[in-house]
Amino acid sequence: AQKVTQAQTEISVVEKEDVTLDCVYETRDTTYYLFWYKQPPSGELVFLIRRNSFDEQNEISGRYSWNFQKSTSSFNFTITASQVVDSAVYFCALPHYGGATNKLIFGTGTLLAVQP
Amino acid sequence: KAGVTQTPRYLIKTRGQQVTLSCSPISGHRSVSWYQQTPGQGLQFLFEYFSETQRNKGNFPGRFSGRQFSNSRSEMNVSTLELGDSALYLCASSLVSQGRGYTFGSGTRLTVV
Repeated sequence: AQKVTQAQTEISVVEKEDVTLDCVYETRDTTYYLFWYKQPPSGELVFLIRRNSFDEQNEISGRYSWNFQKSTSSFNFTITASQVVDSAVYFCALPHYGGATNKLIFGTGTLLAVQP
Repeated sequence: KAGVTQTPRYLIKTRGQQVTLSCSPISGHRSVSWYQQTPGQGLQFLFEYFSETQRNKGNFPGRFSGRQFSNSRSEMNVSTLELGDSALYLCASSLVSQGRGYTFGSGTRLTVV
């Protein structure tokens, strides 16, 4: 079965600290995508990154970096030098395609609170 | 390029009423998916429309329905509202079904009293 687990329910850090959000997934597919979304208090899900299972290169974009490890089925997300504006709920998601089913499977989300 | 537009942003309805929510996808996107977000159940898939046809449906009762118009705009309808239908309803658009990228709207927050 397709499943996404975000074990960290809530994380609180002080501004400028680095923080890593964990994501572990289960899938029977041999090729797949993984996503990270950010949901600020306004409610919109903001796309952060999409990763193809073919590409295990870690990626860095400004203060954000992602560590994808197929061997451990993990796709972790690190924010360097966190800022108050990073406060949001972060979701890891796995698209599930199969038969009549085509949807995003979300983890339960991690609430990140960055204190000034 | 305009994003995904959902209207209205907020709604308050009474139990037993029905409600219609609207979603306008990004221009050129033909797939629209709907998700329900509640504190207890998290983000759950409702259904997906592609080229005016429902392609996929989640595990929700028949009170939840939707449609898609020729311009790709989509509406979802909930009839005989229950208190448990209170949620944030999000729609996502993508270029094609089984899209590799999904852009979400700001959502409609529905409160049933």
